[in-house]
Amino acid sequence: DTGVSQNPRHKITKRGQNVTFRCDPISEHNRLYWYRQTLGQGPEFLTYFQNEAQLEKSRLLSDRFSAERPKGSFSTLEIQRTEQGDSAMYLCASSLAPPWEKLFFGSGTQLSVL
Amino acid sequence: GQQLNQSPQSMFIQEGEDVSMNCTSSSIFNTWLWYKQDPGEGPVLLIALYKAGELTSNGRLTAQFGITRKDSFLNISASIPSDVGIYFCAGQPAGGAQKLVFGQGTRLTINP
Repeated sequence: DTGVSQNPRHKITKRGQNVTFRCDPISEHNRLYWYRQTLGQGPEFLTYFQNEAQLEKSRLLSDRFSAERPKGSFSTLEIQRTEQGDSAMYLCASSLAPPWEKLFFGSGTQLSVL
Repeated sequence: GQQLNQSPQSMFIQEGEDVSMNCTSSSIFNTWLWYKQDPGEGPVLLIALYKAGELTSNGRLTAQFGITRKDSFLNISASIPSDVGIYFCAGQPAGGAQKLVFGQGTRLTINP
């Protein structure tokens, strides 16, 4: 059990470019969450998967954002045509199921859009 | 949508002092959790609360799930330097949503 792994840890991109982040959950965890956290704020829910099915998406997830979890293992979060307002820490978390004490977060990907 | 109001936003205390922070909402929550986050890392769970009125301890940390299900508090006794960090409350909204809503965080600074 190596924990939730996120890559890259840091990403610097220019406005208008596309970026993709990867999350590898804890083995056998069937739920996977994406959160966004801006400086001085708590994490905000973006979306979650139960196995490969994306069951809920926040209104924060505009049409420039897309998340996938093929085969119910790792997940990717892609942001197209990045904007400066997309700069944030993107956190991934995974769990086997409730209770919530079984939810574990990765260290995040810090995105800076110049 | 559901929002959690966490206070205070920041605290500056002396080592050895006790700390208290709380979280309130206008909505009902089924579960309350408290996390700590260090710079550049993801949140780490400290305490989970599942029943209204529940009081749970984890070492020097004590948290309670409010009777109204709209609030929770976290106390830290005899603070030590490694308690420095940002503390977040989080809750699962009532109504079946399978997600957590987070507060804005309390930044704790300790003077040795």
